[in-house]
Amino acid sequence: DAGVTQSPTHLIKTRGQHVTLRCSPISGHKSVSWYQQVLGQGPQFIFQYYEKEERGRGNFPDRFSARQFPNYSSELNVNALLLGDSALYLCASSDQGAGYGYTFGSGTRLTVV
Amino acid sequence: GNSVTQMEGPVTLSEEAFLTINCTYTATGYPSLFWYVQYPGEGLQLLLKATKADDKGSNKGFEATYRKETTSFHLEKGSVQVSDSAVYFCALTHRQGAQKLVFGQGTRLTINP
Repeated sequence: DAGVTQSPTHLIKTRGQHVTLRCSPISGHKSVSWYQQVLGQGPQFIFQYYEKEERGRGNFPDRFSARQFPNYSSELNVNALLLGDSALYLCASSDQGAGYGYTFGSGTRLTVV
Repeated sequence: GNSVTQMEGPVTLSEEAFLTINCTYTATGYPSLFWYVQYPGEGLQLLLKATKADDKGSNKGFEATYRKETTSFHLEKGSVQVSDSAVYFCALTHRQGAQKLVFGQGTRLTINP
């Protein structure tokens, strides 16, 4: 079975640009979450979606947005990129919610120059 | 708010040594507790979990016991291998409400042959 897949794996963008990151959850998983991991730190929660509805949002500016599609895949969008947005962006999916453990993808490494 | 504190790294051990990575948490109610592992260039993998007090999670020789009286979830392994070299993250979540994972800062473990 395919795990959580994310695309692209690496991305380089210029300050002020926009970026879209994509995630496909494990088949049957209806919950998708996004995390930002800055080098040397633990992941920080950005969004959680369940059945296409936003269920939680972390302490990130409005430049960050996301959505979940009918097939449960998800996109994370970041506008007006800043140097500080450079990080590994992780997508995670679950069939029963975070309390039972999430399965993470390998992430998208975003570098803003 | 909820938070997780891990022992600072990096931790360097010889092969077959005993491992302990300390983790304490602050949370309301009864969170679920997790250890995730991150190998170089990869996403996070769930190592083990415990969902209620006195539960012991175990996997691949690693163990951790949910201690509510000391708000701790220390990771242990009796005999480490070079292949255990990775970054280890302690995390918590609640099964109700916004189901986000709150991570510690991570502990880098290096095992020398």
